[in-house]
Amino acid sequence: NAGVTQTPKFRILKIGQSMTLQCAQDMNHNYMYWYRQDPGMGLKLIYYSVGAGITDKGEVPNGYNVSRSTTEDFPLRLELAAPSQTSVYFCASSYSGATEAFFGQGTRLTVV
Amino acid sequence: AQSVTQPDIHITVSEGASLELRCNYSYGATPYLFWYVQSPGQGLQLLLKYFSGDTLVQGIKGFEAEFKRSQSSFNLRKPSVHWSDAAEYFCALDITGTASKLTFGTGTRLQVTL
Repeated sequence: NAGVTQTPKFRILKIGQSMTLQCAQDMNHNYMYWYRQDPGMGLKLIYYSVGAGITDKGEVPNGYNVSRSTTEDFPLRLELAAPSQTSVYFCASSYSGATEAFFGQGTRLTVV
Repeated sequence: AQSVTQPDIHITVSEGASLELRCNYSYGATPYLFWYVQSPGQGLQLLLKYFSGDTLVQGIKGFEAEFKRSQSSFNLRKPSVHWSDAAEYFCALDITGTASKLTFGTGTRLQVTL
């Protein structure tokens, strides 16, 4: 059982480049989340989804976009990378809003 | 707005010693409360959660936490720490009545000496 899989694990981007962070879960979870973790800080919610075709903003959505075309996948898109987006990004999923969230291993992104 | 404070950035304990990690929250009512652990290079793993009822909550790996409404606290404890417990610990809360939108504290890094 793979759980929550994030790719890539590491990436270096130049300012202004774009990229998509991939997240897939094989637990048939309805809810999926994207968080970012800055050094010395707790995780902050970027976007979340309660099911295919439904997404909503979290605490820090600016500079990001998401889509949820299938139950399994929840990609996070950075259109114009900025140094402020240097962070570790975690994807998570849960069966419902009231159940435990399972986290992926994270993607470490550096924007230079 | 709600917030979570973990006053200790870094704690060092000897293996076999007891552990208490502090967590205080700010919110006008009782939120859902969580403790997560993050091992190096890993994602977060849920240790325990408090939704309602018994204020002493048992979790995995021998951890427990006690909710104290009067102190707005949810401290994590373990009677005897093992070297494998070295990790970063995050306290989090949710006010939406779900576990969907977690507000995290800044974390406490635990070092265990042999």
